[in-house]
Amino acid sequence: GAVVSQHPSRVICKSGTSVKIECRSLDFQATTMFWYRQFPKQSLMLMATSNEGSKATYEQGVEKDKFLINHASLTLSTLTVTSAHPEDSSFYICSARDQGTRNSPLHFGNGTRLTVT
Amino acid sequence: AQSVTQLDSHVSVSEGTPVLLRCNYSSSYSPSLFWYVQHPNKGLQLLLKYTSAATLVKGINGFEAEFKKSETSFHLTKPSAHMSDAAEYFCVVSEGGNEKLTFGTGTRLTIIP
Repeated sequence: GAVVSQHPSRVICKSGTSVKIECRSLDFQATTMFWYRQFPKQSLMLMATSNEGSKATYEQGVEKDKFLINHASLTLSTLTVTSAHPEDSSFYICSARDQGTRNSPLHFGNGTRLTVT
Repeated sequence: AQSVTQLDSHVSVSEGTPVLLRCNYSSSYSPSLFWYVQHPNKGLQLLLKYTSAATLVKGINGFEAEFKKSETSFHLTKPSAHMSDAAEYFCVVSEGGNEKLTFGTGTRLTIIP
């Protein structure tokens, strides 16, 4: 079945540095991918919609200059957390839909746990 | 606007007994409804989905859910709980073919041996 691969699964970085998270659709093409953030013991909150070949669409309250999204190909979207701070520590999850399969559900990656020290 | 309310933040059941996880939704259009499961530090796995076909939806691992429009509910059930069912469960809604999902706050299911 369709698989979404997210890398890295865990990352620890120091305050002020930037971290890049990759989301790949392994056996299907996705013109749209979604990035979510999940705080401990809370639900997923949509951060932004990543659009292949164009600018991402950010949800209200999400800083686009802090969370840079690039969707350069039909199988890869990246989320870069710039100038990370401890409050950015969270679990980040991406999802994508197989555009070529009718009524295909969203497939989720296994998430990336970011810890900023 | 769409929203979901998961009525229980934590449910505990004994192994072999039935599971009921409750979800109510609000939607302005014909909703699609989903249940996802999340194991610790993992992504989400789709259990089942409702997209305006049969109101009783069967999913993986013996789970099923019934769409009740009159009650705006989409409760998740399983006849007999297994230890491997222990996880976080999310009820999710999207409207009118919109890919934007709205997640409930989740229900943590604990299975007592």
